[in-house]
Amino acid sequence: DAKTTQPPSMDCAEGRAANLPCNHSTISGNEYVYWYRQIHSQGPQYIIHGLKNNETNEMASLIITEDRKSSTLILPHATLRDTAVYYCIVRVGNSGGGADGLTFGKGTHLIIQP
Amino acid sequence: DGGITQSPKYLFRKEGQNVTLSCEQNLNHDAMYWYRQDPGQGLRLIYYSQIVNDFQKGDIAEGYSVSREKKESFPLTVTSAQKNPTAFYLCASSRGTVNYGYTFGSGTRLTVV
Repeated sequence: DAKTTQPPSMDCAEGRAANLPCNHSTISGNEYVYWYRQIHSQGPQYIIHGLKNNETNEMASLIITEDRKSSTLILPHATLRDTAVYYCIVRVGNSGGGADGLTFGKGTHLIIQP
Repeated sequence: DGGITQSPKYLFRKEGQNVTLSCEQNLNHDAMYWYRQDPGQGLRLIYYSQIVNDFQKGDIAEGYSVSREKKESFPLTVTSAQKNPTAFYLCASSRGTVNYGYTFGSGTRLTVV
């Protein structure tokens, strides 16, 4: 799996957009970008994933650069409940490609300030 | 509602005792996983199972054992051979392809004294 690099921590004001970067310069053509988040002392929660097109769902948007070497997770209107550790993971997404476990690094600790 | 249940939430054991952590899912997922998390660290994969009666070692399997006799259940035993068992243990399940995302339980915090 390609390696990802994330800042260890970030602050964002409540109500503003939180933009979390992730670098994955060695990503290969069949690897997807996945985002999960973990609120303190809970299990991680799936947020979104994408291959090369930008993606949006009810939780967030994922912007992937054209060369796919980096991506940004956007929480459009951050609330205090969005304070969590956010993990960016790169992994082959074809059938069975995830069955042997995802690798979670240390992620970015996002702190939403009131 | 479908989900994944881990019990108990907190567990205390004396050093040298084996302990079994429970993980049950009613999502009809084929694959199940056990992760360990230490303070300030990411998750590390202990064991995973892609199908009933089959399981594979993850990155840190030493001192742990699992079974997968039923699709819904994937218990983890922390044996006395595990040198540093105090940690937060997370169970997850998936359809077997990461495109659908993993569903995690709420975790069991094990403290060995």
